[in-house]
Amino acid sequence: AQSVAQPEDQVNVAEGNPLTVKCTYSVSGNPYLFWYVQYPNRGLQFLLKYITGDNLVKGSYGFEAEFNKSQTSFHLKKPSALVSDSALYFCAVRDMTSGTYKYIFGTGTRLKVLA
Amino acid sequence: DVKVTQSSRYLVKRTGEKVFLECVQDMDHENMFWYRQDPGLGLRLIYFSYDVKMKEKGDIPEGYSVSREKKERFSLILESASTNQTSMYLCASSEQGLGQPQHFGDGTRLSIL
Repeated sequence: AQSVAQPEDQVNVAEGNPLTVKCTYSVSGNPYLFWYVQYPNRGLQFLLKYITGDNLVKGSYGFEAEFNKSQTSFHLKKPSALVSDSALYFCAVRDMTSGTYKYIFGTGTRLKVLA
Repeated sequence: DVKVTQSSRYLVKRTGEKVFLECVQDMDHENMFWYRQDPGLGLRLIYFSYDVKMKEKGDIPEGYSVSREKKERFSLILESASTNQTSMYLCASSEQGLGQPQHFGDGTRLSIL
């Protein structure tokens, strides 16, 4: 079965420290992977995606993600966290079995950056 | 910038009512989606549409229907609202192409009393 997992419900990090939000996936074939961010009372905003090519993907607001095929992971990273990065982060993977535009979302990780 | 607009931010309805949630996008996107978001469950797909008058069931379509009469508008209908449909509902749109990201509205927080 196609799936995506975000093993941490919450991640706390001090401002200025590097942050990592974890995501692992299970799909057949080559995965299409996405990260989204949700601020309070807002919809999701697209951060970055991996389709093919370089394993390190750069996105909005200084975020980047590393695709690791052997570990089936796509962790979100930022070298120096800001308080304003505090939000809910979702990893998503395209459902390769459906042949359509279905995507599977993780359960979300709440990032708290402490001043 | 892509704009996806959901008609209501907050909505309170009664059990048994027929409820309409409206979503409009302004970027001529072919694909539109309805999700519900519940704590600890992430986003779950209710229905999606890849063209006018075309629709496909998502993972949790029971108790819901959709309508897409025009390309820019995708409506979610709760046929007979029940308390377990109290949730945040998110609409999204995307271009054709498997690697295209989705653009989300700000959501409708629906309470069924």
